[in-house]
Amino acid sequence: DQQVKQNSPSLSVQEGRISILNCDYTNSMFDYFLWYKKYPAEGPTFLISISSIKDKNEDGRFTVFLNKSAKHLSLHIVPSQPGDSAVYFCAATPTSGTYKYIFGTGTRLKVLA
Amino acid sequence: DAGITQSPRHKVTETGTPVTLRCHQTENHRYMYWYRQDPGHGLRLIHYSYGVKDTDKGEVSDGYSVSRSKTEDFLLTLESATSSQTSVYFCAITQGRAGELFFGEGSRLTVL
Repeated sequence: DQQVKQNSPSLSVQEGRISILNCDYTNSMFDYFLWYKKYPAEGPTFLISISSIKDKNEDGRFTVFLNKSAKHLSLHIVPSQPGDSAVYFCAATPTSGTYKYIFGTGTRLKVLA
Repeated sequence: DAGITQSPRHKVTETGTPVTLRCHQTENHRYMYWYRQDPGHGLRLIHYSYGVKDTDKGEVSDGYSVSRSKTEDFLLTLESATSSQTSVYFCAITQGRAGELFFGEGSRLTVL
């Protein structure tokens, strides 16, 4: 049973436009969420996070939105740049109980110049 | 740089042989993790540790064991490697709850 789901395996966006990556979760114990970017042959790198006490968090071109009632989060990248082309993973963890960080299957973003 | 070193970075082995991957960290982080990355499956948690000698299973722990005898080292062992364990393995650390995971560069394992 996949607790964190990224239903879009890939996404193509024109340079300068908005990229929207989506993530759904099923475990109501998750209350801290993270997004990671991964380039080939490198380890994933942290992008942005959000706690369940918030519904939005911004960091430069990156904004994460959290809809707790729908158990859905999204990552917005504005404006998209060719260097943003990578695989993006969302992850979730509870802040009590276990120490597990569970990841989704990833979305490959391609930003077209 | 979170001071994580994985070794070996690349390994080719044969089915049935034992394999140990090492994750070494230099910053005294309490929590350490082993993930595997496979196409279509994303990053899946194998085992994690929340202190010396304190470990627990993740999502895909069958066929793997771990040990953490000192803070800086977290070892992942495949007792008898199978072709289904061909993957890229990532070690990660975090300092505490509600913190970012920092990943190592990965260890690519091929089991023939």
